[in-house]
Amino acid sequence: DTEVTQTPKHLVMGMTNKKSLKCEQHMGHRAMYWYKQKAKKPPELMFVYSYEKLSINESVPSRFSPECPNSSLLNLHLHALQPEDSALYLCASSQLRGDTGELFFGEGSRLTVL
Amino acid sequence: SQQGEEDPQALSIQEGENATMNCSYKTSINNLQWYRQNSGRGLVHLILIRSNEREKHSGRLRVTLDTSKKSSSLLITASRAADTASYFCATGGGGSYIPTFGRGTSLIVHP
Repeated sequence: DTEVTQTPKHLVMGMTNKKSLKCEQHMGHRAMYWYKQKAKKPPELMFVYSYEKLSINESVPSRFSPECPNSSLLNLHLHALQPEDSALYLCASSQLRGDTGELFFGEGSRLTVL
Repeated sequence: SQQGEEDPQALSIQEGENATMNCSYKTSINNLQWYRQNSGRGLVHLILIRSNEREKHSGRLRVTLDTSKKSSSLLITASRAADTASYFCATGGGGSYIPTFGRGTSLIVHP
């Protein structure tokens, strides 16, 4: 069982829709991440929040808009997406340490853009 | 960009056999992690080995790290059908707390 919860598990949206993906963790982790994963590929880092502040944006198009309302929640707002944005979106969290800590992943949100 | 490169990309074995996956990387690291991903699911952390360690065990998993060759291996002994998954190495360090994932090895264990 994962301690990072993502909703919804599946999402189908049109290119003109606005939707949001949600992620929640209660492990007290102060770093939260969004990854995008296409089939048979490794996860690609999109955004990192540390202490509720956006610390990394990997040149992600503005049609993806992250939000971190508090230390337990992470959202990804979606607007005017393209069919090529269809993918598995993974949320993860970790403790912040001097070196790399273990990432805890949610089960992902499978997004299909029509 | 991904730093780790897993080899082989795909591995098919029979239940009970051992499975070995390799990971090579290019720059200095503080640690190396291995993750498993069942089809369409989230990644699960398996094991972390630090740069000053050479070998680590966890249950049926054995990880080795050779920093001089910039490579690591993951051995799964006595494999089971439930071990069927993709396995990713992730390297950490270089001043960043964020691990960088390799391309992964797809393991199929036939019952």
